[in-house]
Amino acid sequence: NAGVTQTPKFQVLKTGQSMTLQCAQDMNHEYMSWYRQDPGMGLRLIHYSVGAGITDQGEVPNGYNVSRSTTEDFPLRLLSAAPSQTSVYFCASRNSPADPGNEQYFGPGTRLTVT
Amino acid sequence: GESVGLHLPTLSVQEGDNSIINCAYSNSASDYFIWYKQESGKGPQFIIDIRSNMDKRQGQRVTVLLNKTVKHLSLQIAATQPGDSAVYFCAEKRRSSTLTFGKGTMLLVSP
Repeated sequence: NAGVTQTPKFQVLKTGQSMTLQCAQDMNHEYMSWYRQDPGMGLRLIHYSVGAGITDQGEVPNGYNVSRSTTEDFPLRLLSAAPSQTSVYFCASRNSPADPGNEQYFGPGTRLTVT
Repeated sequence: GESVGLHLPTLSVQEGDNSIINCAYSNSASDYFIWYKQESGKGPQFIIDIRSNMDKRQGQRVTVLLNKTVKHLSLQIAATQPGDSAVYFCAEKRRSSTLTFGKGTMLLVSP
């Protein structure tokens, strides 16, 4: 298994541009989520999904959209990038939404800079 | 307010010492806690977890202690090694499926 994969690893955008951060997992996990990590802020939940066709907002959803058309993929879309979205983005997955005792696996991250 | 926080932003230890990383939480409804390790340039990696009906849980070289009376969580690493150098996060489960992370403590192990 490749686990959780993210692309790209690095990205530079200009203010107002749009892009999609890709996330895929090959473990047939139901639960997937996106976090952003900023210095001194820890990881903050952006959006999450408990299964295909179901998404919900996390702590900091503004400026981001998600969709979950398949179990494997959970892309994160920035519709109009802003400098405040400069961050490192992590995608994560685990098997059961209801039982957090299932280990949550993180991807390697995407470092995004918005100028 | 409700938060998960860490007492020490940086902890420096000598190789072979035992390390203790602390975490305070304020949401008494949280029923599950996890410790993660994050090495530079990588995503967080699960270390150990504990449910709120437990006081202690042990893994390989790691022990998590939960004190619900004072809402305190700690991670103990025995015989700390240079490879343990990383940022350590505690996380708590507040809603049915989401986790909330603390800000992290950097552990520096010198040989």
